Amino acid sequence: EPEVTQTPSHQVTQMGQEVILRCVPISNHLYFYWYRQILGQKVEFLVSFYNNEISEKSEIFDDQFSVERPDGSNFTLKIRSTKLEDSAMYFCASMGQAPNEQFFGPGTRLTVL
Amino acid sequence: QKEVEQNSGPLSVPEGAIASLNCTYSDRGSQSFFWYRQYSGKSPELIMFIYSNGDKEDGRFTAQLNKASQYVSLLIRDSQPSDSATYLCAVGDGQNFVFGPGTRLSVLP
Repeated sequence: EPEVTQTPSHQVTQMGQEVILRCVPISNHLYFYWYRQILGQKVEFLVSFYNNEISEKSEIFDDQFSVERPDGSNFTLKIRSTKLEDSAMYFCASMGQAPNEQFFGPGTRLTVL
Repeated sequence: QKEVEQNSGPLSVPEGAIASLNCTYSDRGSQSFFWYRQYSGKSPELIMFIYSNGDKEDGRFTAQLNKASQYVSLLIRDSQPSDSATYLCAVGDGQNFVFGPGTRLSVLP
């Protein structure tokens, strides 16, 4: 069964460093998303991506964040200068033609020290 | 600020009972409504989505939407211990989604 994969599973970084979180969505899916979930808190939408461009972004998704689909398979989230409050689980999701074709990856736990 | 509210629980029901989970939202322009299940330490898993007023059934799950009251619910019939998880309500406007804090459900054997 196709699945969304994410790497790394856990990333530890120093405050101020850049991190890139990677996702491989399901191959024939059209919509791609990044969410984050701070430990014990709700899931927060960051950005949606369709047709090789951002379709929606939240207030959280400021200039420190960027997304790319560099090679037609990977979907990356870059945080330019990490802050302590960026520590969270980051989930990638992809969706096909229908809303029920929506799957989350296992997440990347980002720890900023 | 768009808000989605859920009772945090825990909601405890005996095995075989109906679990009723509720969600209210603030944005009248919301178009799509989703229920996810999240086991501890895992990623969310889509259970149901609904766009129109009324009921939508899928197996043991029924989603109910009332746009006038800005209310969406999820009923789980014949609850099983494996249904014990946190249930997340999410509300969409286009491709922008707001999640509620989740309701923790515990199904007691």
